[in-house]
Amino acid sequence: AQSVAQPEDQVNVAEGNPLTVKCTYSVSGNPYLFWYVQYPNRGLQFLLKYITGDNLVKGSYGFEAEFNKSQTSFHLKKPSALVSDSALYFCAVRGYGNNRLAFGKGNQVVVIP
Amino acid sequence: KAGVTQTPRYLIKTRGQQVTLSCSPISGHRSVSWYQQTPGQGLQFLFEYFSETQRNKGNFPGRFSGRQFSNSRSEMNVSTLELGDSALYLCASSPGEEVYEQYFGPGTRLTVT
Repeated sequence: AQSVAQPEDQVNVAEGNPLTVKCTYSVSGNPYLFWYVQYPNRGLQFLLKYITGDNLVKGSYGFEAEFNKSQTSFHLKKPSALVSDSALYFCAVRGYGNNRLAFGKGNQVVVIP
Repeated sequence: KAGVTQTPRYLIKTRGQQVTLSCSPISGHRSVSWYQQTPGQGLQFLFEYFSETQRNKGNFPGRFSGRQFSNSRSEMNVSTLELGDSALYLCASSPGEEVYEQYFGPGTRLTVT
């Protein structure tokens, strides 16, 4: 079975500081990894994905994520957080040949002005 | 292109009733997935359809069912509603047979009283 753990319920960060949202995963075989963001009363928006290749993946709105196979992690990062980054962030995983995505419980990010 | 649309956006039903939710994917997208989002359980996978065939099903009781039409539009049905079915139901579409990034609709907020 595939699963995702997002260990922190909420991440508070001051505007302009680096932002990190943690994600670890469990899946059989090579993972396909994703990050999504959800703003209040909205659906999820795709941020970035790792399928294969370079371990550092760049995505939308200045976000990036680093795939670490040995630690089974896929942490989301942004060098300088904005107040508008305050939202709910979801990490998701699926295995090769399996289109069923498993999502983490989500991390609420609060960027303090 | 227009995004994923879901109707209705809000719905209030009584225990024991049934409900049908509709999802129109992005034009040209052939894969549609459904998720249930609740504060306690997070995002849980319901089903995934491709070319009118259900390819994956989550761990939900048989009261939850769905289908996909030849134009890729999808519906999900919940019969004999229970209070615990109150949730945001999200639909997501993706273009090809392999699911990479998914594009989510705004969701249908179902309240069961």
